[in-house]
Amino acid sequence: AQSVAQPEDQVNVAEGNPLTVKCTYSVSGNPYLFWYVQYPNRGLQFLLKYITGDNLVKGSYGFEAEFNKSQTSFHLKKPSALVSDSALYFCAVKGNNRLAFGKGNQVVVIP
Amino acid sequence: DSGVTQTPKHLITATGQRVTLRCSPRSGDLSVYWYQQSLDQGLQFLIQYYNGEERAKGNILERFSAQQFPDLHSELNLSSLELGDSALYFCASSRGTANTGELFFGEGSRLTVL
Repeated sequence: AQSVAQPEDQVNVAEGNPLTVKCTYSVSGNPYLFWYVQYPNRGLQFLLKYITGDNLVKGSYGFEAEFNKSQTSFHLKKPSALVSDSALYFCAVKGNNRLAFGKGNQVVVIP
Repeated sequence: DSGVTQTPKHLITATGQRVTLRCSPRSGDLSVYWYQQSLDQGLQFLIQYYNGEERAKGNILERFSAQQFPDLHSELNLSSLELGDSALYFCASSRGTANTGELFFGEGSRLTVL
């Protein structure tokens, strides 16, 4: 079954520094991968997706993600973090008519 | 605003009771998905409907049931509630079923079972 793993519970980063949130995946066949963000007391919001094509995918709010087939990874990145980026980030993979989500990473951007 | 509407936003009830959560998908979306979010289990897929028909089933308990009506809104029924059912229940919608597009999530219904 398709699954994703987010190895870190929390990521702390200083404002203005690069932000990376890690995700590895396990799929049979070609992976369809997604990143979502959840702000406090809100639903999940789509950030970006990888279906095919360029390994570097650009998304909303200045985020991008790098697909690496050999390492089965799909890490989320932002060159310069903002305090407003503090939220819960979910990696997800498509399979069997559903998205399977990772457990989420809490990102804390320190002013 | 995602365009997905969930009611009620908050619900407090007692063990053994039954509740119904309602979801109106985004205009034009035919698929509805239900997810349960809890601290210990993360975000768990429960069930998906497409144009009124069940398409996929996840970790949904037998005490839970759902349906999608002709106007495409969906209801999730939770019965014989237990303390462990306390969670945030999300509905999401999408145009089709292939999931090559993104899901649009509502803001959730927070259920507290006392």
